[in-house]
Amino acid sequence: QVQLVESGGGVVQPGTSLRLTCAASGFTFRNYGMHWVRQAPGKGLEWVAVIWYDGSNKYYADSVKGRFTISRDNSKNTLYLQMNSLRAEDTAVYYCASGRGDADTLYFDYWGQGTLVTVSS
Amino acid sequence: QSVLTQPPSVSAAPGQKVTISCSGSSSNIGNNYVSWYQQLPGTAPKLLISDNYKRPSGIPDRFSGSKSGTSATLGITGLQTGDEADYYCGTWDSSLGAYVFGTGTKVTVL
Repeated sequence: QVQLVESGGGVVQPGTSLRLTCAASGFTFRNYGMHWVRQAPGKGLEWVAVIWYDGSNKYYADSVKGRFTISRDNSKNTLYLQMNSLRAEDTAVYYCASGRGDADTLYFDYWGQGTLVTVSS
Repeated sequence: QSVLTQPPSVSAAPGQKVTISCSGSSSNIGNNYVSWYQQLPGTAPKLLISDNYKRPSGIPDRFSGSKSGTSATLGITGLQTGDEADYYCGTWDSSLGAYVFGTGTKVTVL
């Protein structure tokens, strides 16, 4: 069965960095675009970033552009999110999700359980 | 704030029907497919509807989706206590170059 397992969350101070990891199994990881979606405490879902199946293209939400970097290692079936210059407003549960379809038909068919990132001094 | 607007909450008695609206614009719902997600308390979101109306395997036909113009609707019939959750619509926004989620709707079974 499909599994997406995030790790790397924790409590960090503003201005510091953190790298999240998402280990995928149960499907052909290298064939699918992968996404990060976050959810601040008590708030709704916010899409963060996408990386194409081969890593050739990456897109980011304006709120994280220039600070976060999405990457993947298809040989390890692993997705990453490097988060730099963290701010209090980045505090959220971060989910990785597999994407299906092109931009106009995009949906997320599988989600991980999430990892909590808390940015606080 | 989100470019897709949903009602904050809807409620109905067990066995009844609820509908959740998702209002957008031509840059998102008007020209792209809509999906819907269910988030039970304390859990990750789960895909309910893709491509405006398609149900993934395992999703009961009590859940339905539709789209008209720049709005989409999720319907839940035969409401059950296990349906109490937050529901989100989502689609790509061509102007923003980003995926956008709705504001979310909490479903309460009375």
